[in-house]
Amino acid sequence: GGIITQTPKFLIGQEGQKLTLKCQQNFNHDTMYWYRQDSGKGLRLIYYSITENDLQKGDLSEGYDASREKKSSFSLTVTSAQKNEMAVFLCASSIRQYQDTQYFGPGTRLLVL
Amino acid sequence: QQKVQQSPESLIVPEGAMTSLNCTFSDSASQYFAWYRQHSGKAPKALMSIFSNGEKEEGRFTIHLNKASLHFSLHIRDSQPSDSALYLCAVAASNTNKVVFGTGTRLQVLP
Repeated sequence: GGIITQTPKFLIGQEGQKLTLKCQQNFNHDTMYWYRQDSGKGLRLIYYSITENDLQKGDLSEGYDASREKKSSFSLTVTSAQKNEMAVFLCASSIRQYQDTQYFGPGTRLLVL
Repeated sequence: QQKVQQSPESLIVPEGAMTSLNCTFSDSASQYFAWYRQHSGKAPKALMSIFSNGEKEEGRFTIHLNKASLHFSLHIRDSQPSDSALYLCAVAASNTNKVVFGTGTRLQVLP
């Protein structure tokens, strides 16, 4: 088995601040994803990466940057935090492609004051 | 752009009931259909997936897929309080690695 680790677990930021979230997986999976979940609702795809140094935009990429410098890690940056923003950011990985099961990390909970 | 909608938004059923959750999608070229379950405060976990029209059963869970009507569903037989969770459907087309998740159905099973 494997595990996905997300750091930090909780992140409190100020309006306009640049904030970075990190994700590590030891499944040796090729594809990694970042999703945003608001108030226990559905997941919205921000970025995904099918291999090291690859980046693909999801439907919610505006306001975010991502980086995949190693196969095992995928970072997400909120470029300018919005006041009163509150969401959970979930990282996931899958073996290769869309039809493979995604395994999720525990999430980073963001609050912007 | 793929649109994935779930109904109902929330559902309360008694223990032992049959529960039915629905998912509609907009892209007729979709090839992959899955259900994930997320218990409160936890990470989503995959339940089942299906690729072709028809039905697939695993234990108390059954998926039905009808591509022509752009609809698939999850049925839970003999629902248990431990089934209480947020259920997310997921759809992808074969020409993309982008999996689109639905809006979620929150299920509560009362003992």
